[in-house]
Amino acid sequence: AQTVTQSQPEMSVQEAETVTLSCTYDTSESDYYLFWYKQPPSRQMILVIRQEAYKQQNATENRFSVNFQKAAKSFSLKISDSQLGDAAMYFCAYIIMEYGNKLVFGAGTILRVKS
Amino acid sequence: EAGVAQSPRYKIIEKRQSVAFWCNPISGHATLYWYQQILGQGPKLLIQFQNNGVVDDSQLPKDRFSAERLKGVDSTLKIQPAKLEDSAVYLCASSIDSNYGYTFGSGTRLTVV
Repeated sequence: AQTVTQSQPEMSVQEAETVTLSCTYDTSESDYYLFWYKQPPSRQMILVIRQEAYKQQNATENRFSVNFQKAAKSFSLKISDSQLGDAAMYFCAYIIMEYGNKLVFGAGTILRVKS
Repeated sequence: EAGVAQSPRYKIIEKRQSVAFWCNPISGHATLYWYQQILGQGPKLLIQFQNNGVVDDSQLPKDRFSAERLKGVDSTLKIQPAKLEDSAVYLCASSIDSNYGYTFGSGTRLTVV
């Protein structure tokens, strides 16, 4: 079974500080892609960052970066200099090429940003 | 580029009634997906289309749910008859290359009472 696990149902961070959201996944395949999506109250899923499994270098997008540990099947998201607009539900997800390119999501982590 | 359009934004119906949701993907995106997101959970795939053909509908409750994608563009998802447990957000997404992720619409929030 394809599974993505987010063990933190809810996290809080002070504005301007750094927070890390955890994600682990299960697959025996070697070819896959990992994603973090943000879902604000507007409900629209917004792609935050993407990682190709065959690349060792961790992806970064401005204040967002990942720590990809392939052997441990871990894919955490670090948000630096947190802003009020970062408050949202964050979903970890992956696509495994062998399984038809379907995006499989974790249960999500609610991120609250305190001013 | 225009995003994925969905309507309606909200819908409240009584159990056993029918309801339909509409999705217009990004122009040129061959693959279209419908996801169901129950409150507090991650989205779960209901059906995947490639152009106007179904690629995967293994998680679609076919006794009550149906979906079609006419001419490989717009898509409609229907529930008939609705049950209380169908209350959820229904998300439509499209992609031109899934390796780069999907583009999602804003979803339809369905409440069945």
